[in-house]
Amino acid sequence: SQQGEEDPQALSIQEGENATMNCSYKTSINNLQWYRQNSGRGLVHLILIRSNEREKHSGRLRVTLDTSKKSSSLLITASRAADTASYFCATDASGGSYIPTFGRGTSLIVHP
Amino acid sequence: GAGVSQSPSNKVTEKGKDVELRCDPISGHTALYWYRQSLGQGLEFLIYFQGNSAPDKSGLPSDRFSAERTGGSVSTLTIQRTQQEDSAVYLCASSLGGARETQYFGPGTRLLVL
Repeated sequence: SQQGEEDPQALSIQEGENATMNCSYKTSINNLQWYRQNSGRGLVHLILIRSNEREKHSGRLRVTLDTSKKSSSLLITASRAADTASYFCATDASGGSYIPTFGRGTSLIVHP
Repeated sequence: GAGVSQSPSNKVTEKGKDVELRCDPISGHTALYWYRQSLGQGLEFLIYFQGNSAPDKSGLPSDRFSAERTGGSVSTLTIQRTQQEDSAVYLCASSLGGARETQYFGPGTRLLVL
């Protein structure tokens, strides 16, 4: 079963708006990572947040982690058409095999 | 430096044939992973190599799938007697250290089994 699940499955917004995607997971984790995948390409790492961190920023990206709710959110501010892609969270279960488990992703479309 | 490369980028084969997919990880990366991604789906873990340790094969879907990593670098994923349900994008990734570190992905091989 999937460890991480993204929500919503699809998100359509206008350029300039903020986009928020959520990831929920089931077991305790060591860290959580967000990746981006453009159509027909491999995944690109965006940001890693450790279990003892609550928030992290990278440019227009803001990631939060709530271990009590077993959830994370990825916020993209002032979105651009170039942000159109699928976004995946990957969790690394503590005490487990350490293999990152990916969700099915959120498909984001940013209309110019 | 160069990223992770995969070949071929596309492969069309007939049901029942064997295929080999190649992955060249980033130089110096000790960990290498294979994933499978079906249309509109997430990544399905297949196999993980870490240094000289025995690979974690827990994700291989059947004994038709195998992989090897020669000299701690290049890896080949082999699918024997391909089936139509094997059609997917096969992604390879490498990381500098263990499985908890950032993975760097190749562009994938699109496999279509007719």
